[in-house]
Amino acid sequence: GAVVSQHPSRVICKSGTSVKIECRSLDFQATTMFWYRQFPKQSLMLMATSNEGSKATYEQGVEKDKFLINHASLTLSTLTVTSAHPEDSSFYICSARDDRAFSYEQYFGPGTRLTVT
Amino acid sequence: GIQVEQSPPDLILQEGANSTLRCNFSDSVNNLQWFHQNPWGQLINLFYIPSGTKQNGRLSATTVATERYSLLYISSSQTTDSGVYFCAVERGSGTYKYIFGTGTRLKVLA
Repeated sequence: GAVVSQHPSRVICKSGTSVKIECRSLDFQATTMFWYRQFPKQSLMLMATSNEGSKATYEQGVEKDKFLINHASLTLSTLTVTSAHPEDSSFYICSARDDRAFSYEQYFGPGTRLTVT
Repeated sequence: GIQVEQSPPDLILQEGANSTLRCNFSDSVNNLQWFHQNPWGQLINLFYIPSGTKQNGRLSATTVATERYSLLYISSSQTTDSGVYFCAVERGSGTYKYIFGTGTRLKVLA
């Protein structure tokens, strides 16, 4: 149980285009999901919190107009990188917590590697 | 904000050796998890351990919340244990937002 999937696993796009990344909780419901970014050989940095039925909240320094988040249902959150530039190239990872779980344990997707050329 | 430091930053072991990884945090936390990031980037849940001690096979973890640290023990290491180990703590009670530590990069040699 407690599986989170992401799609696509890898994407290459041209500068100026937009890319959508999907995050799904496969066997549980998640009112709240999280998006992280990881640069090579660095730790994970929280970008934003995705809330089903309401607007996402962004961490300081993260441009909300560049990273659009939509939490369409209790099992799906999407991150759209708009007008992507080479500096947006990174590894994007989502996480979710089972709404029914007693603990605060979070489960992470396998990540999406974005390369902007 | 809360700071999460891990040590050592890098560790090279011979297969079969034991090791201890440490996670220090600068403020009290309610929730803490240990993860193993494999070479493909997937984060694998090892322990959810806000306090106390847990064991799972060759791995065990201890969190002493009052002293603001957690330890991950790996015994009889195997080459498949290679990767990066992260601890993550919840930032603020009830936020579910995790701050990740700096990581320990482990390489186990055959």
